[in-house]
Amino acid sequence: EPEVTQTPSHQVTQMGQEVILRCVPISNHLYFYWYRQILGQKVEFLVSFYNNEISEKSEIFDDQFSVERPDGSNFTLKIRSTKLEDSAMYFCASTFDRTAAQYFGPGTRLLVL
Amino acid sequence: AQSVTQPDIHITVSEGASLELRCNYSYGATPYLFWYVQSPGQGLQLLLKYFSGDTLVQGIKGFEAEFKRSQSSFNLRKPSVHWSDAAEYFCALVPTDSWGKFQFGAGTQVVVTP
Repeated sequence: EPEVTQTPSHQVTQMGQEVILRCVPISNHLYFYWYRQILGQKVEFLVSFYNNEISEKSEIFDDQFSVERPDGSNFTLKIRSTKLEDSAMYFCASTFDRTAAQYFGPGTRLLVL
Repeated sequence: AQSVTQPDIHITVSEGASLELRCNYSYGATPYLFWYVQSPGQGLQLLLKYFSGDTLVQGIKGFEAEFKRSQSSFNLRKPSVHWSDAAEYFCALVPTDSWGKFQFGAGTQVVVTP
């Protein structure tokens, strides 16, 4: 069964550094998403991406964040200058229809020191 | 604004007993509703979904959920719990006019005792 994959599984970085989280969505999916889950808190929507542009974003998704689909398979989340409060698990998700169930990757645990 | 509430943060159940997890939502119309499960260190796995039609939906791993419009609820049930069901369970909705922006509940942690 196809699945969403994410790399790396864990990332440790220094505050102020840039990080890029990578995702490979399911191949025939058209809508892509990033969510984050701070330890002990609920999963929060960050951004949705369709047709090579952001379709919706949350208040969390400020100018420090960007997303890109650089080729036909990868979907990336970049945090330009990480802050301590960016420490969280980041989930990528994809779906073929924006109203359908989303398939989530296993997540990248980001720790900012 | 839409929201999802899972009133129970933590539930302990004996293996073989039945389980019911509560989910209430707030939305102006009927949203699309989902239940996901997250095992420790794992991502979110879809258990079941409700879009329209039959209000009792069957999912994987023996789970089912019932949509009740009058109560704005979408409770998850399993008749007989297995030790492997220990996990965190998230109810989520997608507004029908959104780009798939999931709103998750805070989750219910399920502990299964022998």
